[in-house]
Amino acid sequence: DAKTTQPNSMESNEEEPVHLPCNHSTISGTDYIHWYRQLPSQGPEYVIHGLTSNVNNRMASLAIAEDRKSSTLILHRATLRDAAVYYCILKTSYDKVIFGPGTSLSVIP
Amino acid sequence: DTEVTQTPKHLVMGMTNKKSLKCEQHMGHRAMYWYKQKAKKPPELMFVYSYEKLSINESVPSRFSPECPNSSLLNLHLHALQPEDSALYLCASSQYREQFFGPGTRLTVL
Repeated sequence: DAKTTQPNSMESNEEEPVHLPCNHSTISGTDYIHWYRQLPSQGPEYVIHGLTSNVNNRMASLAIAEDRKSSTLILHRATLRDAAVYYCILKTSYDKVIFGPGTSLSVIP
Repeated sequence: DTEVTQTPKHLVMGMTNKKSLKCEQHMGHRAMYWYKQKAKKPPELMFVYSYEKLSINESVPSRFSPECPNSSLLNLHLHALQPEDSALYLCASSQYREQFFGPGTRLTVL
């Protein structure tokens, strides 16, 4: 199975952009890259997903490397409410889901 | 309604007990999932149902028994659990890409 690696923790100042990296060097051609975040005592919350092209939505942007071996989640202006554990996930075409270890994001006021 | 509900919120059980966790969604999603999450670790996939049929079992011990009685409901039957099975059990549903997660059931096995 493909796996993902992420930094254990990152810090950001409030209202500044945050770039959260993820490596997935063994990704297969049909695996989608997903990002979720999880606050304490809550279930994970969907952030964004993509296959090959960069993606934008109201929450974030996802930049996917041309070889698909890495991706970066971009939060354009971090707020205190963005402090959470961010998971980079691979999802196969047959519903298998592989969570990465997660990056704990701290936002400094 | 974009909510996945899970009951109970908390459950304490002995190693000889039989209990069940319940998950419900009314979004018409075709796939439903069970995950196990230990403290400070990512969720680990346990089971996936697609169109009410078990499609993935990640080599989960038989003391965990999933059931999908209909397209809205997913159960996880628990029997003869061990203390190391104490964890947060998360349910999720999806149609194609985005998964919607419930808040989880916090299980403690004594």
